[in-house]
Amino acid sequence: RKEVEQDPGPFNVPEGATVAFNCTYSNSASQSFFWYRQDCRKEPKLLMSVYSSGNEDGRFTAQLNRASQYISLLIRDSKLSDSATYLCVVNGGSYIPTFGRGTSLIVHP
Amino acid sequence: EAQVTQNPRYLITVTGKKLTVTCSQNMNHEYMSWYRQDPGLGLRQIYYSMNVEVTDKGDVPEGYKVSRKEKRNFPLILESPSPNQTSLYFCASSSGETNTGELFFGEGSRLTVL
Repeated sequence: RKEVEQDPGPFNVPEGATVAFNCTYSNSASQSFFWYRQDCRKEPKLLMSVYSSGNEDGRFTAQLNRASQYISLLIRDSKLSDSATYLCVVNGGSYIPTFGRGTSLIVHP
Repeated sequence: EAQVTQNPRYLITVTGKKLTVTCSQNMNHEYMSWYRQDPGLGLRQIYYSMNVEVTDKGDVPEGYKVSRKEKRNFPLILESPSPNQTSLYFCASSSGETNTGELFFGEGSRLTVL
Protein backbone atom coordinates (compact mmCIF):
# COMPACT_ATOMS: atom_id res chain seq x y z
CA ARG A 1 0.00 0.00 0.00
CA LYS A 2 1.36 3.39 -0.99
CA GLU A 3 2.12 5.59 2.01
CA VAL A 4 0.30 8.64 0.71
CA GLU A 5 -2.73 8.23 -1.53
CA GLN A 6 -4.72 10.74 -3.52
CA ASP A 7 -7.56 10.49 -5.99
CA PRO A 8 -5.83 11.35 -9.29
CA GLY A 9 -8.95 12.96 -10.76
CA PRO A 10 -9.21 14.90 -12.92
CA PHE A 11 -11.72 17.05 -11.11
CA ASN A 12 -13.44 19.09 -13.80
CA VAL A 13 -15.38 22.02 -12.29
CA PRO A 14 -16.87 25.30 -13.51
CA GLU A 15 -15.56 28.67 -12.38
CA GLY A 16 -16.97 29.63 -9.01
CA ALA A 17 -17.42 26.08 -7.82
CA THR A 18 -16.19 24.70 -4.52
CA VAL A 19 -14.01 21.61 -4.79
CA ALA A 20 -12.38 19.41 -2.15
CA PHE A 21 -9.52 16.95 -2.31
CA ASN A 22 -8.59 14.34 0.23
CA CYS A 23 -5.30 12.63 0.89
CA THR A 24 -4.79 9.60 3.15
CA TYR A 25 -1.53 8.56 4.76
CA SER A 26 -0.51 5.27 6.30
CA ASN A 27 2.21 6.28 8.78
CA SER A 28 0.51 7.20 12.04
CA ALA A 29 3.78 8.75 13.27
CA SER A 30 3.70 11.40 10.53
CA GLN A 31 4.38 14.82 11.95
CA SER A 32 3.80 17.46 9.34
CA PHE A 33 1.64 17.86 6.30
CA PHE A 34 1.62 20.09 3.26
CA TRP A 35 -0.17 20.81 0.01
CA TYR A 36 1.93 21.69 -3.02
CA ARG A 37 0.72 22.96 -6.34
CA GLN A 38 2.29 21.92 -9.65
CA ASP A 39 1.52 23.54 -12.97
CA CYS A 40 2.05 21.53 -16.15
CA ARG A 41 5.76 20.71 -16.66
CA LYS A 42 6.75 23.14 -13.89
CA GLU A 43 8.26 22.52 -10.50
CA PRO A 44 6.01 21.94 -7.46
CA LYS A 45 5.59 24.90 -5.15
CA LEU A 46 4.31 25.05 -1.59
CA LEU A 47 0.64 26.03 -1.44
CA MET A 48 0.10 25.73 2.29
CA SER A 49 1.05 23.82 5.39
CA VAL A 50 -1.64 21.86 7.21
CA TYR A 51 -1.98 22.36 10.95
CA SER A 52 -3.87 20.28 13.47
CA SER A 53 -6.32 23.10 14.09
CA GLY A 54 -6.90 23.60 10.37
CA ASN A 55 -5.87 26.70 8.50
CA GLU A 56 -7.20 29.03 5.87
CA ASP A 57 -5.50 31.18 3.27
CA GLY A 58 -7.97 33.19 1.25
CA ARG A 59 -10.07 30.78 -0.80
CA PHE A 60 -8.06 27.77 0.38
CA THR A 61 -8.72 25.77 3.55
CA ALA A 62 -6.65 22.83 4.71
CA GLN A 63 -7.60 20.41 7.45
CA LEU A 64 -6.00 17.48 9.20
CA ASN A 65 -7.77 14.50 10.73
CA ARG A 66 -5.17 12.49 12.65
CA ALA A 67 -7.65 9.89 13.89
CA SER A 68 -8.63 8.94 10.35
CA GLN A 69 -5.21 9.77 8.91
CA TYR A 70 -6.24 12.11 6.17
CA ILE A 71 -5.78 15.70 5.15
CA SER A 72 -8.04 17.76 2.95
CA LEU A 73 -7.86 20.82 0.76
CA LEU A 74 -10.95 22.90 0.02
CA ILE A 75 -10.94 25.50 -2.73
CA ARG A 76 -13.84 27.96 -2.78
CA ASP A 77 -14.89 30.14 -5.70
CA SER A 78 -12.61 28.31 -8.15
CA LYS A 79 -10.71 30.40 -10.70
CA LEU A 80 -9.40 29.35 -14.09
CA SER A 81 -5.92 29.94 -12.69
CA ASP A 82 -6.49 27.25 -10.05
CA SER A 83 -6.16 24.59 -12.76
CA ALA A 84 -3.13 22.54 -11.74
CA THR A 85 -2.11 19.34 -10.00
CA TYR A 86 -2.26 19.40 -6.20
CA LEU A 87 0.26 17.26 -4.36
CA CYS A 88 -0.15 16.03 -0.81
CA VAL A 89 3.12 15.78 1.13
CA VAL A 90 3.62 14.06 4.47
CA ASN A 91 6.75 14.18 6.66
CA GLY A 92 7.61 11.36 8.97
CA GLY A 93 9.55 11.61 12.21
CA SER A 94 12.89 12.03 10.46
CA TYR A 95 12.62 14.56 7.72
CA ILE A 96 11.85 12.43 4.67
CA PRO A 97 8.91 13.93 2.78
CA THR A 98 6.60 11.49 1.02
CA PHE A 99 4.55 12.67 -1.94
CA GLY A 100 1.17 11.56 -3.14
CA ARG A 101 0.78 11.16 -6.90
CA GLY A 102 -1.30 14.32 -7.12
CA THR A 103 -4.86 15.31 -7.93
CA SER A 104 -5.53 17.09 -11.20
CA LEU A 105 -7.95 20.03 -11.17
CA ILE A 106 -9.40 21.58 -14.30
CA VAL A 107 -11.49 24.71 -13.90
CA HIS A 108 -13.49 25.63 -16.99
CA PRO A 109 -15.40 28.79 -17.91
CA GLU B 1 17.24 35.40 -4.47
CA ALA B 2 16.74 32.01 -2.82
CA GLN B 3 16.82 29.34 -5.46
CA VAL B 4 17.68 25.84 -6.57
CA THR B 5 19.45 25.72 -9.92
CA GLN B 6 19.59 22.67 -12.15
CA ASN B 7 21.57 22.18 -15.35
CA PRO B 8 21.00 21.27 -18.06
CA ARG B 9 17.30 22.05 -18.34
CA TYR B 10 16.94 19.95 -21.48
CA LEU B 11 19.17 17.16 -22.76
CA ILE B 12 18.93 14.54 -25.48
CA THR B 13 21.57 11.85 -25.26
CA VAL B 14 22.24 8.31 -26.40
CA THR B 15 22.30 5.05 -24.48
CA GLY B 16 25.49 4.50 -22.52
CA LYS B 17 26.88 8.02 -22.67
CA LYS B 18 27.61 9.13 -19.12
CA LEU B 19 25.99 12.36 -18.03
CA THR B 20 25.71 14.53 -14.96
CA VAL B 21 22.84 16.79 -13.97
CA THR B 22 24.02 19.47 -11.58
CA CYS B 23 22.02 20.93 -8.72
CA SER B 24 22.99 23.86 -6.58
CA GLN B 25 21.15 25.72 -3.81
CA ASN B 26 22.02 29.03 -2.17
CA MET B 27 19.95 28.70 1.00
CA ASN B 28 22.44 26.77 3.14
CA HIS B 29 19.99 23.88 3.26
CA GLU B 30 21.06 20.60 4.77
CA TYR B 31 18.55 18.37 3.01
CA MET B 32 18.72 17.81 -0.74
CA SER B 33 16.95 15.30 -2.90
CA TRP B 34 16.45 14.12 -6.48
CA TYR B 35 13.11 13.08 -7.94
CA ARG B 36 11.97 11.82 -11.27
CA GLN B 37 8.46 12.42 -12.54
CA ASP B 38 6.75 10.23 -15.10
CA PRO B 39 3.13 10.36 -16.33
CA GLY B 40 0.79 8.53 -13.98
CA LEU B 41 3.54 7.76 -11.47
CA GLY B 42 3.95 11.09 -9.72
CA LEU B 43 7.19 12.18 -8.09
CA ARG B 44 9.49 9.32 -7.15
CA GLN B 45 12.54 9.88 -5.02
CA ILE B 46 15.87 8.72 -6.43
CA TYR B 47 18.38 9.70 -3.77
CA TYR B 48 18.50 12.12 -0.89
CA SER B 49 21.09 13.66 1.36
CA MET B 50 20.64 14.81 4.94
CA ASN B 51 23.99 16.61 5.00
CA VAL B 52 27.49 16.72 3.50
CA GLU B 53 28.86 13.22 2.83
CA VAL B 54 25.54 11.67 3.91
CA THR B 55 23.46 10.20 1.09
CA ASP B 56 20.83 7.50 0.96
CA LYS B 57 18.71 5.67 -1.57
CA GLY B 58 15.17 6.69 -2.30
CA ASP B 59 12.52 4.61 -3.99
CA VAL B 60 14.15 4.27 -7.43
CA PRO B 61 17.96 4.51 -7.11
CA GLU B 62 18.92 1.92 -9.74
CA GLY B 63 21.04 3.38 -12.52
CA TYR B 64 21.86 6.59 -10.64
CA LYS B 65 24.65 7.87 -8.42
CA VAL B 66 24.95 11.01 -6.33
CA SER B 67 27.54 12.77 -4.26
CA ARG B 68 27.43 15.49 -1.62
CA LYS B 69 30.92 16.87 -1.21
CA GLU B 70 29.71 20.38 -0.47
CA LYS B 71 26.55 21.58 1.18
CA ARG B 72 25.32 23.57 -1.80
CA ASN B 73 25.80 20.97 -4.55
CA PHE B 74 24.14 17.62 -5.16
CA PRO B 75 24.85 16.30 -8.66
CA LEU B 76 22.97 13.36 -10.16
CA ILE B 77 25.10 11.02 -12.24
CA LEU B 78 23.88 8.57 -14.84
CA GLU B 79 26.88 6.35 -15.56
CA SER B 80 25.27 4.47 -18.45
CA PRO B 81 21.90 6.01 -19.32
CA SER B 82 19.18 3.82 -20.77
CA PRO B 83 15.89 4.76 -22.49
CA ASN B 84 13.88 3.96 -19.34
CA GLN B 85 15.65 6.88 -17.66
CA THR B 86 13.94 9.27 -20.03
CA SER B 87 12.07 11.47 -17.60
CA LEU B 88 11.61 14.87 -15.98
CA TYR B 89 14.03 15.27 -13.09
CA PHE B 90 13.68 17.65 -10.15
CA CYS B 91 16.20 18.57 -7.51
CA ALA B 92 14.88 19.92 -4.22
CA SER B 93 16.31 21.27 -1.00
CA SER B 94 15.04 22.05 2.46
CA SER B 95 16.27 23.15 5.85
CA GLY B 96 15.32 19.68 7.03
CA GLU B 97 13.16 20.88 9.88
CA THR B 98 10.33 18.40 10.12
CA ASN B 99 7.50 20.79 10.85
CA THR B 100 8.49 23.86 8.90
CA GLY B 101 10.89 22.67 6.24
CA GLU B 102 9.43 23.78 2.94
CA LEU B 103 10.86 21.96 -0.07
CA PHE B 104 12.25 24.25 -2.75
CA PHE B 105 12.46 22.74 -6.21
CA GLY B 106 14.62 23.48 -9.19
CA GLU B 107 12.90 24.15 -12.50
CA GLY B 108 13.44 20.60 -13.69
CA SER B 109 15.65 18.84 -16.22
CA ARG B 110 13.98 17.06 -19.09
CA LEU B 111 16.15 14.16 -20.17
CA THR B 112 15.66 12.02 -23.26
CA VAL B 113 17.79 8.91 -23.76
CA LEU B 114 17.71 7.48 -27.28
